[in-house]
Amino acid sequence: GNSVTQMEGPVTLSEEAFLTINCTYTATGYPSLFWYVQYPGEGLQLLLKATKADDKGSNKGFEATYRKETTSFHLEKGSVQVSDSAVYFCALKRGSGDKLTFGTGTRLAVRP
Amino acid sequence: GAGVSQSPSNKVTEKGKDVELRCDPISGHTALYWYRQSLGQGLEFLIYFQGNSAPDKSGLPSDRFSAERTGGSVSTLTIQRTQQEDSAVYLCASSSARTTDTQYFGPGTRLTVL
Repeated sequence: GNSVTQMEGPVTLSEEAFLTINCTYTATGYPSLFWYVQYPGEGLQLLLKATKADDKGSNKGFEATYRKETTSFHLEKGSVQVSDSAVYFCALKRGSGDKLTFGTGTRLAVRP
Repeated sequence: GAGVSQSPSNKVTEKGKDVELRCDPISGHTALYWYRQSLGQGLEFLIYFQGNSAPDKSGLPSDRFSAERTGGSVSTLTIQRTQQEDSAVYLCASSSARTTDTQYFGPGTRLTVL
């Protein structure tokens, strides 16, 4: 079946540090890949997505590239801010009408 | 327009009681999803609606769980004879026919079963 594996947290960084959160997936066919973010006390929000191999999703300084050869979709940001402190979820979706399959989430804490 | 809304935001109930959770999707969104977020299990899919029909109910954990959707809009998730392991945040999401890849989530209902 489909599954998503992401790195265990929590990840604690100082402001302006470089961020990588690893995500790998197992799926049949060609899924779409997503990063969702959950800020403290708020609901899940779509951060970025990529729908085919070699696509790069980007938003708010975050980037992730769909790598089919390594079945990965790692999230990166060059310089994190305190306001980026949140839980980040990697997810996949096989097609229209399909459910999202989520990773376990990675909590990021950014210190001033 | 308004986003996905859910009610109540918090629900505390006693073991054995029935509860109903409501989801109002974004207007015009034909697809609606229920998920559950709990400490032990992460984010799990429960059920998917396309219009008023549910082509995928594979995530419902037991026959105590049921859901319906009427008028292609509002959905209700019902849990009968609640158990402590049902305690979780229940999330609803919707997507449109035009942007089927993107699901928009509501704020969730936090259910606590005592």
